[in-house]
Amino acid sequence: SQQGEEDPQALSIQEGENATMNCSYKTSINNLQWYRQNSGRGLVHLILIRSNEREKHSGRLRVTLDTSKKSSSLLITASRAADTASYFCATVRQAAGNKLTFGGGTRVLVKP
Amino acid sequence: GAGVSQSPRYKVTKRGQDVALRCDPISGHVSLYWYRQALGQGPEFLTYFNYEAQQDKSGLPNDRFSAERPEGSISTLTIQRTEQRDSAMYRCASSSRTGASGNTIYFGEGSWLTVV
Repeated sequence: SQQGEEDPQALSIQEGENATMNCSYKTSINNLQWYRQNSGRGLVHLILIRSNEREKHSGRLRVTLDTSKKSSSLLITASRAADTASYFCATVRQAAGNKLTFGGGTRVLVKP
Repeated sequence: GAGVSQSPRYKVTKRGQDVALRCDPISGHVSLYWYRQALGQGPEFLTYFNYEAQQDKSGLPNDRFSAERPEGSISTLTIQRTEQRDSAMYRCASSSRTGASGNTIYFGEGSWLTVV
């Protein structure tokens, strides 16, 4: 079963615009991670946010975590065509055996 | 090698045949994970190892699926008597410390399995 659920399932934006996607989960977590998957390629780790953190930045990426709402968001600012990919959130719960549990992903298309 | 290496990258097999998928993790990484990903979906956990010990195999769908990591490095995921529903990408990942909590997990490019 998948712990995280991403919203929206698909997103289409123009280059230069910001892209925001959300992830909701059901039970308490140790940390939450975001991954990117380009078409036909491997999964690339983007950012990790721990349960006691509220916000993290990495380059053009901004991740927030609201443990009271059991939700996280990923914001990509000033998007580029190369940002076209599927984005997945994944949660880690020590009670679940300390492994990553992925959501279904958000497919982002950035049009030039 | 520099990253997680998986082989074969593509495998087409006939229903009923056995298949072995290999994963070579990043050198020195102690934890190794197997995931399965169907088209348009997120990766689904299968099993993971710390060193040579299989820590969790709760995601293996049935007893046709097995995995081993005998020397704590290379791992093999074996699917016996393959069925069409086994068609998917099988991803391997590794991390330098045990478990996924707080650790960056590095994924390989996957092995595409098609059962015909």
